[in-house]
Amino acid sequence: QITLKESGPTLVKPTQTLTLTCSFSGFSLSRFGEGMGWVRQPPGKALEWVAFTLWSDDERFSPFLRSRVSFTKDISKNQVLLTMTDMDLLDTATYFCVHRAEWGWIDYWGQGALVTVSS
Amino acid sequence: QPVLTQSSSASASLGSSVRLTCTLSSGHSGYMVAWHQQQPGESPRFLMKIDGTGRYNKGSDVPERFSGSASGAVRYLTISNLQSEDEADYYCQAWDRNTWVFGGGTTVSVL
Repeated sequence: QITLKESGPTLVKPTQTLTLTCSFSGFSLSRFGEGMGWVRQPPGKALEWVAFTLWSDDERFSPFLRSRVSFTKDISKNQVLLTMTDMDLLDTATYFCVHRAEWGWIDYWGQGALVTVSS
Repeated sequence: QPVLTQSSSASASLGSSVRLTCTLSSGHSGYMVAWHQQQPGESPRFLMKIDGTGRYNKGSDVPERFSGSASGAVRYLTISNLQSEDEADYYCQAWDRNTWVFGGGTTVSVL
């Protein structure tokens, strides 16, 4: 059974850097074919892809966020950190950690973490 | 990368059926699509993936009343015997080795 859980600050100021942690179980990012990623949802709006990373250390980022987003993996702890720099009011959203099935679709979702950007 | 187009809303009576559409942009009609359900105040849940032939595979514990199909560039999600708990937002998702793409979502109301 795959589970994922997000943790991190609920409030950040404009221009600050956001770091979110995804703690997961039921899979290992060191195993062939495995992957995980992040999807966000501004209040009242649709889902938006942020980024994903694979067992091979390949990383892919939304073209709109590529310059601001990075991953840090701790394989032994089954954790992945998402870092997003230069936060803006428009980055206010619920951030979901997700599992990427081997051939690419999302098959498990975390509960989500609401991050508000406000001064 | 593909663009996914969904109707913004759909409604149907309790116990009836509703069919949702997800249309792939030109040149991407062969893509598989996944459907996700997001009930109010909840995180999304994977329902199924559908290929271009209409073959679909459902996630764990997805009720039998949910089914999928395809025609050309359109991927369908059909909910039969509509229940009150089916009131939710439904998103389709496409992918390739470099991207994930979501449709704008369809809000389903049960009358």
